[in-house]
Amino acid sequence: AQTVTQSQPEMSVQEAETVTLSCTYDTSESDYYLFWYKQPPSRQMILVIRQEAYKQQNATENRFSVNFQKAAKSFSLKISDSQLGDAAMYFCAYKGYSKLTFGKGITLSVRP
Amino acid sequence: DADVTQTPRNRITKTGKRIMLECSQTKGHDRMYWYRQDPGLGLRLIYYSFDVKDINKGEISDGYSVSRQAQAKFSLSLESAIPNQTALYFCATSEQGLAGGPEQFFGPGTRLTVL
Repeated sequence: AQTVTQSQPEMSVQEAETVTLSCTYDTSESDYYLFWYKQPPSRQMILVIRQEAYKQQNATENRFSVNFQKAAKSFSLKISDSQLGDAAMYFCAYKGYSKLTFGKGITLSVRP
Repeated sequence: DADVTQTPRNRITKTGKRIMLECSQTKGHDRMYWYRQDPGLGLRLIYYSFDVKDINKGEISDGYSVSRQAQAKFSLSLESAIPNQTALYFCATSEQGLAGGPEQFFGPGTRLTVL
């Protein structure tokens, strides 16, 4: 079975600085997708970024980028120029041939 | 209008009561899912449906049942609610696609409290 591990329950970043959220996963599948979802206090689950495992190039979406290390099964999210609106819980998720598997999430706070 | 809607948004009920959570979508997706979120546990899959005639159990289906009334509607029922079913419940949809396919789109969630 696939597992997703987010080992840090909380992180804090100063506004305008850069922060990296870590995620590791375990799988025996060769083709899969990885996602980062954001859950602000409104509790809505918002897709931030996705990465296809067959693509070597790291995905980017404006201030959000990932560092995808397939051999190490690592998928970290980098948030540049952090803003107050980035404060939320972030979930890493894995999607292979079966269900979407989530990590336990990390709470990110942004200091003004 | 939101693509995936859930009703009610918040519900407080008592132990032993039957309760239904409803989900509707206008995205035209075939696949629908129910998850629950508990603090420190992330989201866990309760049931999923790949089309109207296809219903499958997820990892935590005990105590729950579902009904796929139409392509656009997927309901979750708690036949006899218990306090440890207090959680945030999400409905999600996705397109039918290749294995490992596209992302899932989530509704706004239903906060359920069982006293």
